[in-house]
Amino acid sequence: AQKVTQAQTEISVVEKEDVTLDCVYETRDTTYYLFWYKQPPSGELVFLIRRNSFDEQNEISGRYSWNFQKSTSSFNFTITASQVVDSAVYFCALSEANKLVFGAGTILRVKS
Amino acid sequence: GAVVSQHPSRVICKSGTSVKIECRSLDFQATTMFWYRQFPKKSLMLMATSNEGSKATYEQGVEKDKFLINHASLTLSTLTVTSAHPEDSSFYICSAREMVGAVGYFGPGTRLTVT
Repeated sequence: AQKVTQAQTEISVVEKEDVTLDCVYETRDTTYYLFWYKQPPSGELVFLIRRNSFDEQNEISGRYSWNFQKSTSSFNFTITASQVVDSAVYFCALSEANKLVFGAGTILRVKS
Repeated sequence: GAVVSQHPSRVICKSGTSVKIECRSLDFQATTMFWYRQFPKKSLMLMATSNEGSKATYEQGVEKDKFLINHASLTLSTLTVTSAHPEDSSFYICSAREMVGAVGYFGPGTRLTVT
């Protein structure tokens, strides 16, 4: 069975601070995909990144960066210089075979 | 990114009635659509996986006779909540993707309230 753990239920930071959201996953498959999604207060889920299991390169996109480490089964997400608009629930998800399963989500609150 | 729509965005119905929610992929062909349910301040719970032209695969604990899923075309899937009860009140979200491993794009969700 696959499992995604986001141990941080809620994080509060002050604007301009860096913040890292943790994601640990479990899977028996060698081929799988990892995702991060953002859910702002409006409720709609916004795709942020996809990473396949064979690509361990870290990725940076503007203020966002992701660190994928197969050795520790982690796919952590860092926001640099956080902004109030980053406040949302962030979900890590794992896809293997035909399923997309989500972690419990981390609520990020960025205060001005 | 790709666009997935859901209709209606909000629906209020009386206990005992049935409600149909539509999920459409607007600019790509979705071989697979997923239906999720989300309770307030909770994660998305996968209800079922639907491949075009075949019967949906339901997750354990999800009643297939209560939550009817149809995926008749590559751009449309429907979820019908039959004989709805107040405990069925929730936020229902669909996701569509072109193939295994592809990005799953989500609809904006449907807020169902059963009175």
